[in-house]
Amino acid sequence: GQNIDQPTEMTATEGAIVQINCTYQTSGFNGLFWYQQHAGEAPTFLSYNVLDGLEEKGRFSSFLSRSKGYSYLLLKELQMKDSASYLCAVRGAGNKLTFGGGTRVLVKP
Amino acid sequence: DSGVTQTPKHLITATGQRVTLRCSPRSGDLSVYWYQQSLDQGLQFLIQYYNGEERAKGNILERFSAQQFPDLHSELNLSSLELGDSALYFCASSGNLRGDYGYTFGSGTRLTVV
Repeated sequence: GQNIDQPTEMTATEGAIVQINCTYQTSGFNGLFWYQQHAGEAPTFLSYNVLDGLEEKGRFSSFLSRSKGYSYLLLKELQMKDSASYLCAVRGAGNKLTFGGGTRVLVKP
Repeated sequence: DSGVTQTPKHLITATGQRVTLRCSPRSGDLSVYWYQQSLDQGLQFLIQYYNGEERAKGNILERFSAQQFPDLHSELNLSSLELGDSALYFCASSGNLRGDYGYTFGSGTRLTVV
């Protein structure tokens, strides 16, 4: 089976940086995804890591260490609109994408 | 608009009833995935179809079933509904079997069982 852990909630100030950690245990690994989800809305794709290292996309970066079963999503220059849940998801054996419970990020002025 | 269309957006029904949720994937996508999201909980994978065939199954209840039609749209059937089935049901699609570079989600169907 798969187990994905991420913090439940984080608070940060507008303009600051926040790092959301995700640890996973999986039978088989075929990639890790990060999604953003505003309340009541559809998740939207942010990033995809399949090899170790850092992937940068504008204000968002994602890091993966397969040997440690660890990833993080880094949000820079936080804006109020970044207040949302951030979902870590792992694609394991059988091509199934399993989501963590999500981290709710609250950005304060 | 993500390109994935789900209908209806909202559904209110009584316990014991049966409902059908519909999903049209993004143009050209062959894979369709169904997820359930209960209040304040994560996305729970239900089932995946690829080009009309079932390819992966999650913790889908026996009361639930799905299919993908030749035109690639998919339907999720929920029967003998219980209060605990109230949730957001998302459909997602991807261009290939593996879902490389992520899934595109529809806006969801909010099901309320009363």
